[in-house]
Amino acid sequence: SQQGEEDPQALSIQEGENATMNCSYKTSINNLQWYRQNSGRGLVHLILIRSNEREKHSGRLRVTLDTSKKSSSLLITASRAADTASYFCATPVTGGGSEKLVFGKGTKLTVNP
Amino acid sequence: EAQVTQNPRYLITVTGKKLTVTCSQNMNHEYMSWYRQDPGLGLRQIYYSMNVEVTDKGDVPEGYKVSRKEKRNFPLILESPSPNQTSLYFCASSLGPRGSYNEQFFGPGTRLTVL
Repeated sequence: SQQGEEDPQALSIQEGENATMNCSYKTSINNLQWYRQNSGRGLVHLILIRSNEREKHSGRLRVTLDTSKKSSSLLITASRAADTASYFCATPVTGGGSEKLVFGKGTKLTVNP
Repeated sequence: EAQVTQNPRYLITVTGKKLTVTCSQNMNHEYMSWYRQDPGLGLRQIYYSMNVEVTDKGDVPEGYKVSRKEKRNFPLILESPSPNQTSLYFCASSLGPRGSYNEQFFGPGTRLTVL
């Protein structure tokens, strides 16, 4: 069951530029999470934003959540080559005893030196 | 160091030969989960566990079994592996039983090839 979908699928920018990735989802959620994955490695949690929050910051990361549009965005400011990775949004699917976190297919970000 | 460990990291096997991928976490987490990652399909959940002796199916449970006899361990069992189970597998854990409420910590992955 696909809940979140990231956009764009791939993004290539120059070092120092900002990168924006978007996530749209289908059903009501209580939180939305963003993860990063370096090639072939395990996912690393970046930020969790709850449904009563509109914006959250962590270092160079800024996440927004618009529950009316069922969408979220992840902004990476002043990007570095080390930010090259795939970025995933994850949304919960609960109810009926189910307790799952569903991931989108990701945005592949390439930051060129 | 707080971590999720998986073994083996790489495995090449043949169709029908039973195998187990182990997963262990040292953070006293209640929620544990298995995912597989395939090109173009993203990350899909296989099974999850909200606590000891409590397991439930994810989105792609066919061909897999799990058990949760101890809090720290959550092995993934392939009774009769088939080539379509060739994939990159991740184990993850989360603090509370509501795995969707908190951040998940991922293991390094197990790359499985079934010939």
